[in-house]
Amino acid sequence: DAGVIQSPRHEVTEMGQEVTLRCKPISGHDYLFWYRQTMMRGLELLIYFNNNVPIDDSGMPEDRFSAKMPNASFSTLKIQPSEPRDSAVYFCASSTGDTQYFGPGTRLTVL
Amino acid sequence: AQSVTQPDIHITVSEGASLELRCNYSYGATPYLFWYVQSPGQGLQLLLKYFSGDTLVQGIKGFEAEFKRSQSSFNLRKPSVHWSDAAEYFCAVAPRYSGAGSYQLTFGKGTKLSVIP
Repeated sequence: DAGVIQSPRHEVTEMGQEVTLRCKPISGHDYLFWYRQTMMRGLELLIYFNNNVPIDDSGMPEDRFSAKMPNASFSTLKIQPSEPRDSAVYFCASSTGDTQYFGPGTRLTVL
Repeated sequence: AQSVTQPDIHITVSEGASLELRCNYSYGATPYLFWYVQSPGQGLQLLLKYFSGDTLVQGIKGFEAEFKRSQSSFNLRKPSVHWSDAAEYFCAVAPRYSGAGSYQLTFGKGTKLSVIP
């Protein structure tokens, strides 16, 4: 299996622009997680889905952040408008059992 | 609220030396416990996990961890470190009531390991 795929790997944008991060989970996995990693706050769970349905979005920092999972093989995390403090590495992970498999992450820089 | 503490931000060891990375947790009940490793520019990879049973858990790459309930600790060990072990290591916990697949992980801040040849 190719593992969890994330795109783009790097994104540089300007403040106020819309940013969309993409994730393809491992085939057959029914859980999908979005995390954010920063130096100050470490790794934080933003939201997770089960069978394409959002279960817990309490970690989403504010309304500028939204996540969707239109089907079992694709999810997006959107930031609109982006701000410099959103700069971080965003990870997607998927699971079906007791192990979460992480993608390589998207490094987002908001200027 | 649950929390995970990794007291060592950065550790440097010589190749061939033994290693112990510390992890303490604060939780209402004994949670599920995990150790992940993150190599530079990569995602996180699971090293090992503890759910129940034998408190000494074996993982991949020659790592092991010991759960000590009395100390609320889950320290990671390796008897002989290799240069390729240089990475960042994260301890994580999940609520014991979590259903399969839905573990909501709370991570520690990580310990960066450097290995001197």
